[in-house]
Amino acid sequence: QKEVEQNSGPLSVPEGAIASLNCTYSDRGSQSFFWYRQYSGKSPELIMSIYSNGDKEDGRFTAQLNKASQYVSLLIRDSQPSDSATYLCAVNMGRDDKIIFGKGTRLHILP
Amino acid sequence: DVKVTQSSRYLVKRTGEKVFLECVQDMDHENMFWYRQDPGLGLRLIYFSYDVKMKEKGDIPEGYSVSREKKERFSLILESASTNQTSMYLCASGSVRVGQEQYFGPGTRLTVT
Repeated sequence: QKEVEQNSGPLSVPEGAIASLNCTYSDRGSQSFFWYRQYSGKSPELIMSIYSNGDKEDGRFTAQLNKASQYVSLLIRDSQPSDSATYLCAVNMGRDDKIIFGKGTRLHILP
Repeated sequence: DVKVTQSSRYLVKRTGEKVFLECVQDMDHENMFWYRQDPGLGLRLIYFSYDVKMKEKGDIPEGYSVSREKKERFSLILESASTNQTSMYLCASGSVRVGQEQYFGPGTRLTVT
């Protein structure tokens, strides 16, 4: 069974601090990795894609991938109340164009 | 910008009705997907399509069918709606040209009474 695991949270982080969201996946052959942000009642919005080991930065967001450990993370620097949302980790496990989604981590930024 | 649109934001139907949910994308993506999202269960794939007239079952296809007559349009059909199909329905499109990233429409909140 192909799986993507995330801690459901809620993860509470003070405003201005770094929020760290983690995800593990079961298939070592996975090729593509994504982070989506989903506000309550809205659809998921793609915020980061990462395809190779290491870090990828985009503004306040950094995605980190470690294929040997089957681990992907998202760091949000200078957290803002508007970052409060559910963050979905998603993985393409290489055999087709389907993406397997985790169930998401609820992030709450404390003003 | 990628744009995926869905025909309705909110829909209320009666048990036994046939329900059509439409999805249109404007980015010439070859892949299109239908998911449903329920609290505690996350996103579950119902059907997907790699090309016009192609369809593949996802994880929970029972009670649903799909149609893809044009590349930009992917329809989800509930043949005979039941109360356990009350859910948020999300359409997405994607392409190997963009690393299999998927882009979602705004969703349709379907209530079956």
